[in-house]
This record gives sequence, C-alpha cells and structure tokens, in this order.
Amino acid sequence: KQEVTQIPAALSVPEGENLVLNCSFTDSAIYNLQWFRQDPGKGLTSLLLIQSSQREQTSGRLNASLDKSSGRSTLYIAASQPGDSATYLCAVRPWSGNTGKLIFGQGTTLQVKP
Amino acid sequence: DAGVTQSPTHLIKTRGQQVTLRCSPKSGHDTVSWYQQALGQGPQFIFQYYEEEERQRGNFPDRFSGHQFPNYSSELNVNALLLGDSALYLCASGTGARYGYTFGSGTRLTVV
Repeated sequence: KQEVTQIPAALSVPEGENLVLNCSFTDSAIYNLQWFRQDPGKGLTSLLLIQSSQREQTSGRLNASLDKSSGRSTLYIAASQPGDSATYLCAVRPWSGNTGKLIFGQGTTLQVKP
Repeated sequence: DAGVTQSPTHLIKTRGQQVTLRCSPKSGHDTVSWYQQALGQGPQFIFQYYEEEERQRGNFPDRFSGHQFPNYSSELNVNALLLGDSALYLCASGTGARYGYTFGSGTRLTVV
C-alpha cells in the first residue's frame, strides 16, 4: 500500500532564506509526482509535476527533484518571501493499473516571517 | 480560460440530510475526481469519473455517490450525512495519464 509522508509538518523561517521541503513515498512504482500549494481554507494550486522518468523540474524560485529508487522528492524554495507562507502538499500517482487517483502526504505548513 | 469551478463554496447541513456538490472541469479535461480533506489532513480520494462512469473508488461508503454528465461536469452526492462528513470537498480534473490534475477551490461542508 502506497503511503506518502511529509517532514516536517511545520516550518518557520525568516524572509530570504532558502529552504527544502521533503516528501517520501513507500512504493517506487509511480507514474508521476505533483507538488501543490494550499492557502488556508482554499483549494490546491499545482506548482510542479515530475514524471517518473524525470529527475527534476523548475519553475521560477521553485525546484522539485525526484529520486524514485529511494522514494524521495524535495521541493526547494529559493529566497523565500512572506507570500510563500502556505501549506505545501506532495502527491504521487501510482503506476498500478490504470489508476488515476493521487495519494497525498499530510503537508508541510510553511511560515515565512518578514 | 476558466479552471475548475465548484459550487457552492460553503454549505451547512443537518445530520441525516443529503447534499449535492457540483464541479465543472477545466476546458479540455474529460476526467473528474473528488477528494475529501479533513482539517489538517491531506486530501483523500473518493472516486473518479471518466466517460460518465465511475472508474475507480477510494475507501468511502456507498453513502457517497457521483455522476458525470456528457459535458464532463460532475456531481458528488452524500446521503445520511454524519458529523464526520464535515470537510473541504475538492474536485480535480485532468486528461491523459501523463498530465497532472487541476483542482478547484473546494466546497466547505459543515454538518451540524
């Protein structure tokens, strides 16, 4: 059974700091992995999508890496800003069958202090 | 280009009642999935619809049912509401296994 874990559950950093959020999954048979951002009480905004054959994806100040063999992904945020404060969720799409469901971690809540 | 649209945004229901939530997928998307997110938790997969059929289902009771219409929009129905059904209900749309999903803003359901 695929399980996704995100550590830490919460993180507080001063503005301008570079930071790394971690995501681990138990089954390496995944189709892709997606990172999302969620503001309080809101829906999910997709940040980056990494296919199983890829090692990393970049968008602006965000860089996501994927090491399928070790069951790990990281989301690197450069030069953090107060506007980056939100909950970050990673989700894997299992390879098994024709499944379209995503399995989510519980998220890391980030606070960037001015 | 409109993304995923969900309605209503907030809803308060009484225990035992029935509720219907609605979702319009992003233009060009043909697959709709529903997720339940309890406070402080990651979203949990309820089910997915493609070509007007339920293709996959998560670990949710039969009180949760859905429908997809020919225009790809979808409804989530929950019968005999329980207090524990209070959550944020998220709709996600997509197309093709290679592409990611786009989520809506969610419907906040409160059962009292």
